Amino acid sequence: GENVEQHPSTLSVQEGDSAVIKCTYSDSASNYFPWYKQELGKRPQLIIDIRSNVGEKKDQRIAVTLNKTAKHFSLHITETQPEDSAVYFCAAYSSPYMRFGAGTRLTVKP
Amino acid sequence: SQTIHQWPATLVQPVGSPLSLECTVEGTSNPNLYWYRQAAGRGLQLLFYSVGIGQISSEVPQNLSASRPQDRQFILSSKKLLLSDSGFYLCAWNGAVSNQPQHFGDGTRLSIL
Repeated sequence: GENVEQHPSTLSVQEGDSAVIKCTYSDSASNYFPWYKQELGKRPQLIIDIRSNVGEKKDQRIAVTLNKTAKHFSLHITETQPEDSAVYFCAAYSSPYMRFGAGTRLTVKP
Repeated sequence: SQTIHQWPATLVQPVGSPLSLECTVEGTSNPNLYWYRQAAGRGLQLLFYSVGIGQISSEVPQNLSASRPQDRQFILSSKKLLLSDSGFYLCAWNGAVSNQPQHFGDGTRLSIL
């Protein structure tokens, strides 16, 4: 089955800096890659996603890149703000279910 | 629009007691439904998923079970809770068409004493 590795497990940046979180997956049949943000005690919420026919997608300060050949995808957050502090999960979809990475705890220091 | 309801929000149960957590989805038909468990500070562990009424697939063999008595209702149960069952339980759904994001309920925080 699918295996998703996520790095780093913790990331601390200064406000205004960029943050990058990387994930790799094992199943070449995976074709959909969402990213979720989970604040403490809350449910994970979708922040951006990318499908396998696209190499990059951007939404304001958030972007995701996908390299299907290398089987890795990354989340990029620019101009980080304290409210970006949360746990971020990557996921890879290989029908019929999603496999999640272990999460990255991002701390943005003011 | 679609919404997902999960209850209760918190639950404290003694070891050996039964469990029933309920999840319902509104505004869609024939959703895929999922139960996840999240230990403190950890990732999401898929427990069960269902692609239709009465169709349940288990990811991890344990003392939990799931049922889908109606199209938009998903229930997580246990006859006898263990200490290791403590955690944050999340229900999620997505559309039956592939490549759809999963949307999560607010979760149930379960503490076993």
